[in-house]
Amino acid sequence: KQEVTQIPAALSVPEGENLVLNCSFTDSAIYNLQWFRQDPGKGLTSLLLIQSSQREQTSGRLNASLDKSSGRSTLYIAASQPGDSATYLCAVKNDYKLSFGAGTTVTVRA
Amino acid sequence: EPEVTQTPSHQVTQMGQEVILRCVPISNHLYFYWYRQILGQKVEFLVSFYNNEISEKSEIFDDQFSVERPDGSNFTLKIRSTKLEDSAMYFCASSEAETAENYGYTFGSGTRLTVV
Repeated sequence: KQEVTQIPAALSVPEGENLVLNCSFTDSAIYNLQWFRQDPGKGLTSLLLIQSSQREQTSGRLNASLDKSSGRSTLYIAASQPGDSATYLCAVKNDYKLSFGAGTTVTVRA
Repeated sequence: EPEVTQTPSHQVTQMGQEVILRCVPISNHLYFYWYRQILGQKVEFLVSFYNNEISEKSEIFDDQFSVERPDGSNFTLKIRSTKLEDSAMYFCASSEAETAENYGYTFGSGTRLTVV
């Protein structure tokens, strides 16, 4: 059974600082990994998808890396802004479903 | 950008009542899913649906739950006799392909179900 862990559970940084969010998973036989953003009480917005054959994916200030063999992914958010405050979820796809981590709740202080 | 649409956004129901949660997946997607998130917990898989039948379901998805694609656009989740522990945010998702690594899931904005 796939287990996904996200560390840290919460993070508070001053505006402008870079963010580093970690995700680990136990079964490396994945098709891909997605990073989602969730605002309080809201839905899941896909930020980045990294295919299992890729090492890295970038979108604007966001960069995600994937080391499938060690079961790890890292989401980097450059030059954080108060609008980046949200919960970030990592999800891996295998066995015909997504398995989610519990998320990292980020607060960016102005 | 294409969206997955869920209705209603909030539903309050009495324990023991039946509820139907509705979703309109992205039109060219073939795979449909329901997930749920109990407050403060992880997002959990409930069921996947393809070619008008369930392809996978979790232990949570017992006989009280059912899914249906009644027409070419809607995808529904029915809970026959709701329990207090069914209170959660329910998310619908769709995908173009299941085993291709370059296709991800698109989620709807969710239905918050409160059972009282």
